[in-house]
Amino acid sequence: AQSVTQLDSQVPVFEEAPVELRCNYSSSVSVYLFWYVQYPNQGLQLLLKYLSGSTLVKGINGFEAEFNKSQTSFHLRKPSVHISDTAEYFCAVSVWGYSGGGADGLTFGKGTHLIIQP
Amino acid sequence: NAGVTQTPKFQVLKTGQSMTLQCAQDMNHEYMSWYRQDPGMGLRLIHYSVGAGITDQGEVPNGYNVSRSTTEDFPLRLLSAAPSQTSVYFCASRGTSGGNNEQFFGPGTRLTVL
Repeated sequence: AQSVTQLDSQVPVFEEAPVELRCNYSSSVSVYLFWYVQYPNQGLQLLLKYLSGSTLVKGINGFEAEFNKSQTSFHLRKPSVHISDTAEYFCAVSVWGYSGGGADGLTFGKGTHLIIQP
Repeated sequence: NAGVTQTPKFQVLKTGQSMTLQCAQDMNHEYMSWYRQDPGMGLRLIHYSVGAGITDQGEVPNGYNVSRSTTEDFPLRLLSAAPSQTSVYFCASRGTSGGNNEQFFGPGTRLTVL
């Protein structure tokens, strides 16, 4: 079974500063990787995903993530954050090629709360 | 497409009361799931369904029942609510094509059990 570790439960950052939210995963097989964002009092929205190909993935709202297979990481970055980026961010993994039944569709990390300070 | 819809948005129950959280999707997705979200716990899978008539338990199924009579609908039932079930509940769906398992989430139901 796969697992996801988000190393920071909370990340405070000043507005217009860069940010990196860390995510590590474990799996014995190839995986797909996702970042979801949850704004206050809302549902989860897909930010970006890595399926195959280029290891640098660009998402919405200026975010990007880099897949590093050797380090089993998928860290999320943004060069300059805004107040509107305040949200909870979830990293998730699914097993590559898995399309059968079962609960292994997605495994989520516990989330990182990004706090933007003015 | 409306995507995944959930009703109600908010609900307050007394201990021992029963209720049903509604979830519907219009994307013809086979897989549907219910998660609960609690502070510091991330999302935990309650029940899921791989198609009409087929359901199974997730990580935290106790106290909840589900059924899947149609592809579109996947209601979650609390038979006798307990304060430990105070949480935010999310319904999600995914298709099978491509195999990447991207989930689409509803807006959530915030449930308080007194």
